[in-house]
This record gives sequence, C-alpha cells and structure tokens, in this order.
Amino acid sequence: EDQVTQSPEALRLQEGESSSLNCSYTVSGLRGLFWYRQDPGKGPEFLFTLYSAGEEKEKERLKATLTKKESFLHITAPKPEDSATYLCAVTNTGGFKTIFGAGTRLFVKA
Amino acid sequence: ETGVTQSPTHLIKTRGQQVTLRCSSQSGHNTVSWYQQALGQGPQFIFQYYREEENGRGNFPPRFSGLQFPNYSSELNVNALELDDSALYLCASRDGQMETQYFGPGTRLLVL
Repeated sequence: EDQVTQSPEALRLQEGESSSLNCSYTVSGLRGLFWYRQDPGKGPEFLFTLYSAGEEKEKERLKATLTKKESFLHITAPKPEDSATYLCAVTNTGGFKTIFGAGTRLFVKA
Repeated sequence: ETGVTQSPTHLIKTRGQQVTLRCSSQSGHNTVSWYQQALGQGPQFIFQYYREEENGRGNFPPRFSGLQFPNYSSELNVNALELDDSALYLCASRDGQMETQYFGPGTRLLVL
C-alpha cells in the first residue's frame, strides 16, 4: 500500500540553526513527490515537485532532494517566518491519487 | 492569473444535514481534487475529477460525492453529516498534463 511518513513530527530551531526534514515513501511507481508549506488554518502552499532520484531543487533557504526511498527538505539559516507545517506528498504512476504525510511542524525562535 | 478559490470559508451544520462546498479552479486547470484535513493531520484524498468525470477516489463512503462543471469549477457534497466530518476541506487544481496541484484556502466545516 502506498504510504508517506514524515519525521520528526515537530522541530524546534533557533534562528540560523540549519536542519533537515525527512519524508519516507512507499509507492507503486513514483509519478511525483511534492513539498508544501501550510500555515495554520490555510491551504497548503506549493514549494517543490521532484520526479526522479538524484533530483534537487532550491528556493531561498529551502532545498529539496530525492532518493528512491526518501526525500529531504533542508532548511539553511531559518528565520522565524519559516515557522509552519511542511507537508510531503506523492502521486503514483496511475496519477489518480495523491497521498500526504502527516507533516512536520517547524518552530523557529528568534 | 486567478488562483484556486473556495466558498464558503466557514460553515456550521448539525449532524444528519447535507452540505455543499464550492471550488473555482485556477485558470487553465482541468483537473480538480478534494481533500479532507482533520486537525493535526495531513490532507486525505477524497476524489479527483477530470473533464467532468470522477477518475480517482480515496477511502471515503458514497455519501461524499462531487461534480465538475464545464468551466472546471467543482462541488463537494456530503450527505448525512457525522461529527467526524468536522474538518478543513481543501480543493486543489492542476493542468491535466502536469503533476503539481495548487490548493485553495479551504472551507472549515464544523458539525455539531
């Protein structure tokens, strides 16, 4: 069964303290892996799409990487405004269903 | 370019009632998906519509149904509401040739 597991559930960082979020997945043929940011009570905001192992994408302080079994979201020198829940999702080759993980809640303290 | 919009923003219903939620897709997007997100959890896939036909469904009972219109806007209907249906309902749209979905702001449903 297709599955997405994110760790840790919550992460508390000091401003400037770099770290990584993990997304482990099991899928019957990967069509795409997605990272979203979600602020409380709002819809997810798109960050990255990764398609194949070895692919990397960057945006400001964020960098997403992909292997055959997991993806990492690296946060370099985070700021308090990076505090949010980060969601990972996968779509299988059928393309008809997207499965989300439970998310990692990131807190960045000034 | 107009993003995904949803209405209403908040809704309160009582158990056993029926509810209709609405979504306008982002311009140029012909595929729409609906998700249920309980507090503290990730979004759970309900179903997907492509060119007015349902072409994918998650583990939700038949009392969750939908429609997609020729202009690619969409509705989610839930009959016989239960307390556990209280959640944030999210609509997401994409171009059928692309994989990335873009989400609306959601509708917060509270069932009493």
